[in-house]
Amino acid sequence: DQQVKQNSPSLSVQEGRISILNCDYTNSMFDYFLWYKKYPAEGPTFLISISSIKDKNEDGRFTVFLNKSAKHLSLHIVPSQPGDSAVYFCAAVGRTSGTYKYIFGTGTRLKVLA
Amino acid sequence: DAGITQSPRHKVTETGTPVTLRCHQTENHRYMYWYRQDPGHGLRLIHYSYGVKDTDKGEVSDGYSVSRSKTEDFLLTLESATSSQTSVYFCAISDPTLSHIQYFGAGTRLSVL
Repeated sequence: DQQVKQNSPSLSVQEGRISILNCDYTNSMFDYFLWYKKYPAEGPTFLISISSIKDKNEDGRFTVFLNKSAKHLSLHIVPSQPGDSAVYFCAAVGRTSGTYKYIFGTGTRLKVLA
Repeated sequence: DAGITQSPRHKVTETGTPVTLRCHQTENHRYMYWYRQDPGHGLRLIHYSYGVKDTDKGEVSDGYSVSRSKTEDFLLTLESATSSQTSVYFCAISDPTLSHIQYFGAGTRLSVL
């Protein structure tokens, strides 16, 4: 049972336009949601996060929106740049039996076209 | 960058042999995790540790064991490697007392022939 889903395996966007990456989850008990960016042959790097008590968090070109009623979050990148081309993972953090576990989505490959 | 070192970075081994991957951190974080990344599956949790000698299973723990005898080291052992364990393995660390962010190592690419 996939608790965190990224239904779009890939996305292509023109440079300068907005990229919107989506993520859905099933468990309403998650405390935080995070987005990671991954380049080939490297480990994932943290991009931005949002607490479950908020509905928006912004950091420069990156904004994450959380819709708790729909169990949906999205990452907006404006304006998109060729260097943003990477695989993006969303993750949810929950506490189970007193310990913290992270559940990742399957990733969306973003390609920003120059 | 978080001080996380994974070794080896690449390994080729044969079916049936034991393999141990090492994760070393210099951040003194309490939690350490092992994931595998496979196409179409994203990052799947194998095992994690919430303190020295405290470990628990993740969603894909069959065929893997872990040990954490000191804060800085978390070992992942494939007891008898199979071709289905060919993957890229990532170690991650976190400390909930500091933040909810999880930091990753550079990964180990393992091929089981």
